[in-house]
Amino acid sequence: VQLVEFGGGVVQPGRSLRLSCVASGFTLGRNGMHWVRQAPGKGLEWVAVTSFEGSHIYYADSVKGRFTISRDNANNTVYLQMNSLRPEDTAVYYCAKDLQYLGGYFDLWGQGTLVTVSS
Amino acid sequence: EVVLTQSPGTLSLSPGESATLSCRASESVSRFLAWYQQKPGQAPRLLIYDASNRATGIPARFSGSGSGTDFTLTISSVEPEDFAVYYCHQRSHWPSGTFGQGTKVEIK
Repeated sequence: VQLVEFGGGVVQPGRSLRLSCVASGFTLGRNGMHWVRQAPGKGLEWVAVTSFEGSHIYYADSVKGRFTISRDNANNTVYLQMNSLRPEDTAVYYCAKDLQYLGGYFDLWGQGTLVTVSS
Repeated sequence: EVVLTQSPGTLSLSPGESATLSCRASESVSRFLAWYQQKPGQAPRLLIYDASNRATGIPARFSGSGSGTDFTLTISSVEPEDFAVYYCHQRSHWPSGTFGQGTKVEIK
């Protein structure tokens, strides 16, 4: 039972990157799915959430208008499309399963994927 | 935005001692507060949610209490595997959940 993230790397400011998160050993079910990030040596910052059916989607102010979260339930995958990247977006990005439908607590986390925004 | 302030910044303990970690919110979050444990190079792990409910598989030595603006995580007898950074997290002001800055529990 795990979440595995893919797609991190080094990207120039202003460019785009898409992260993927695949659930392995279980189905995502009706739980919300989140992205949470952690800048190097810093604390945790919630980024975005999508409900099971995608009808409820919310973003942190710091990424609103630039990032898009989506999910493919048939393939047990959640995505984070990141556009217009900035150096301050540099962080390890974790996907995390909501404990409930959209309860807001994270009971299963992936191992994280590092995104570095630098010229 | 609700600001969570954790104290102390670092707690130095010997195995077997009790640990008390504090989290104070800038405004009431009712009981919508969780605690996570993070070890170096690992993802966080949910310990406590709704202030006092232990997550699945969490040992009974971890307990949470509090409501409103003041919360506490207690580790009754610290085991070697408990040395880590602990974060509190509120989800009261949904969806803009916020985290505290963390308390590091280190070996004395």
